[in-house]
Amino acid sequence: SYELTQPPSVSVSPGQTARITCSGDALPKHYAYWYQQKPGQAPVVVIYKDIERPSGIPERFSGASSGTTVTLTISGVQAEDEADYYCQSADSTHSSGTSHWVFGGGTKLTVL
Amino acid sequence: EVQLVQSGAEVKKPGESLKISCKGSGYSFTSYWIGWVRQMPGKGLEWMGIIYPADSDTTYSPSFQGQVTMSADKSISTAYVQWSSLKASDTAMYYCARLNQSGSYFDYWGQGTLVTVSS
Repeated sequence: SYELTQPPSVSVSPGQTARITCSGDALPKHYAYWYQQKPGQAPVVVIYKDIERPSGIPERFSGASSGTTVTLTISGVQAEDEADYYCQSADSTHSSGTSHWVFGGGTKLTVL
Repeated sequence: EVQLVQSGAEVKKPGESLKISCKGSGYSFTSYWIGWVRQMPGKGLEWMGIIYPADSDTTYSPSFQGQVTMSADKSISTAYVQWSSLKASDTAMYYCARLNQSGSYFDYWGQGTLVTVSS
């Protein structure tokens, strides 16, 4: 089955830049989406279509795509950014032709 | 305001059945797919499947095919997922989420329903 691979953890000090990667063979063909999940809360999308930022999401969140890897960058990390981050994309490996979705394993961002 | 409100936490015994719900409001419920996502304790998000409330067209993740049944009642803007015989391994938080208009990501999420299966 199709998988998206993320590092389990990333640690940065406040004010530094955090980069979280997500790798998948089909990422050149399908957009990636990033969700932030804080403890006890439902996920919230912070980046869509690889690089787009929803309204209400701080400008310090940005996305990039290169080949089979997409990257979520948080510039000037703040304590409130400590959370789990998940990438998500389409799973096009199914011969049925129906749409499937897949999440990466998640990355815990720790703000030191 | 778009809202997805899920039913409350459940504590069940292995072998029991269960149906949890997700009620949408603030948008045309029949115009958007609803997805279900499992999160086991301390683990990541897993896509379970999606349902189109207008006609109950359903697609399951292979990992959940045959393990759960998704349904919807468009008359009351509510989607469901049910189990016929719970296992301890079904213990998890379950989220419903609306698939956005282009069908590419989940733009609104419910608050989650915690299901605990224990003897």
